[in-house]
Amino acid sequence: AQKITQTQPGMFVQEKEAVTLDCTYDTSDPSYGLFWYKQPSSGEMIFLIYQGSYDQQNATEGRYSLNFQKARKSANLVISASQLGDSAMYFCANSNDYKLSFGAGTTVTVRA
Amino acid sequence: EPEVTQTPSHQVTQMGQEVILRCVPISNHLYFYWYRQILGQKVEFLVSFYNNEISEKSEIFDDQFSVERPDGSNFTLKIRSTKLEDSAMYFCASRRKGSVTEQYFGPGTRLTVT
Repeated sequence: AQKITQTQPGMFVQEKEAVTLDCTYDTSDPSYGLFWYKQPSSGEMIFLIYQGSYDQQNATEGRYSLNFQKARKSANLVISASQLGDSAMYFCANSNDYKLSFGAGTTVTVRA
Repeated sequence: EPEVTQTPSHQVTQMGQEVILRCVPISNHLYFYWYRQILGQKVEFLVSFYNNEISEKSEIFDDQFSVERPDGSNFTLKIRSTKLEDSAMYFCASRRKGSVTEQYFGPGTRLTVT
């Protein structure tokens, strides 16, 4: 069974600063994927970034980067230069046979 | 840009009634999913569907749930006799064959059972 742990229920960050959201996972599969999704107050799930377990480099997508530490089974999301529009819930997820297992989420609030 | 659509955006129903939630996946996608998110909780996998049959389902997906692809475009989730605890946001998702990088999620249907 896949297990995703997000230990930070909520975080505050100042506008234009960076924030790191923690995610650890537990899987016995040799090949897997790690995802981050953003869920604003409107409720939709927005894909942010993906990291494959065999990828040599950390994934980056614009202001989002994934700090992948395979030996520690961690896949932290870094949001650089935070914007007010980044205020949302953020979910880490692991893919197992392509279905996603999600963590409990971290609420990020960006302060002006 | 193609997107997954879901209707209705919000459904209110009485306990014991049947509901059908509808999804239109992205046209060239072959794998379809339903997920559920109870208010304030994490997103949970319900069922995956490929080649006109269920490929995997979770413990949540009991006999009260069913999925169908009635035509070439729609993908539906039916709850036969709704319970209060079925109140949640239901997300449809789809992906291309061979794609591991992304599942595209629809905007969700908020189901309220009274």
